[in-house]
Amino acid sequence: QQQVKQSPQSLIVQKGGISIINCAYENTAFDYFPWYQQFPGKGPALLIAIRPDVSEKKEGRFTISFNKSAKQFSLHIMDSQPGDSATYFCAAIVSGNTPLVFGKGTRLSVIA
Amino acid sequence: KAGVTQTPRYLIKTRGQQVTLSCSPISGHRSVSWYQQTPGQGLQFLFEYFSETQRNKGNFPGRFSGRQFSNSRSEMNVSTLELGDSALYLCASSHRWGDEQYFGPGTRLTVT
Repeated sequence: QQQVKQSPQSLIVQKGGISIINCAYENTAFDYFPWYQQFPGKGPALLIAIRPDVSEKKEGRFTISFNKSAKQFSLHIMDSQPGDSATYFCAAIVSGNTPLVFGKGTRLSVIA
Repeated sequence: KAGVTQTPRYLIKTRGQQVTLSCSPISGHRSVSWYQQTPGQGLQFLFEYFSETQRNKGNFPGRFSGRQFSNSRSEMNVSTLELGDSALYLCASSHRWGDEQYFGPGTRLTVT
């Protein structure tokens, strides 16, 4: 019930391309879905987050798409740049109830 | 506003020893959560404190403990260290339980 499954495990994208990372969850009580970006030697940094009352949220080149009926959400990185090369984690939480549950992470490499 | 700070950043200990890690949350944040990050298990929740009270605890043995002080600073302690405790220990703070969490850079613990 607490699992968040993330795919792919690793991703290589050409500079300027679109990076897509997918996550699926089981617990329908989850009500907040953040994405974190982590560079080597650093802690995860909150990138963008969505609540299930909207189907899409965009911040700059980063977009979350949310499908409540399918219990899936995804991160799209438009115009991917080498500086986006990092590990991305999706997560989910029941606000005020559970701790963050993380996906296993996706290692993104953007090559020129 | 200063971010979450963790000390020390790196630590090398021997099996059987104990260790104490420290976390200072973002000013005004009263909730502090601790996570263990390893390549195999990913990010796993250890425990969360709010107003000096442990609100939730993950599935870790009793050798892992923590506390929070009146100024919201938190410490975690691991006793009788095992090789498998080698990991990056991350602290995250938020205004309240279930709010957006902001991570520190982590403490890299190596047990030999």
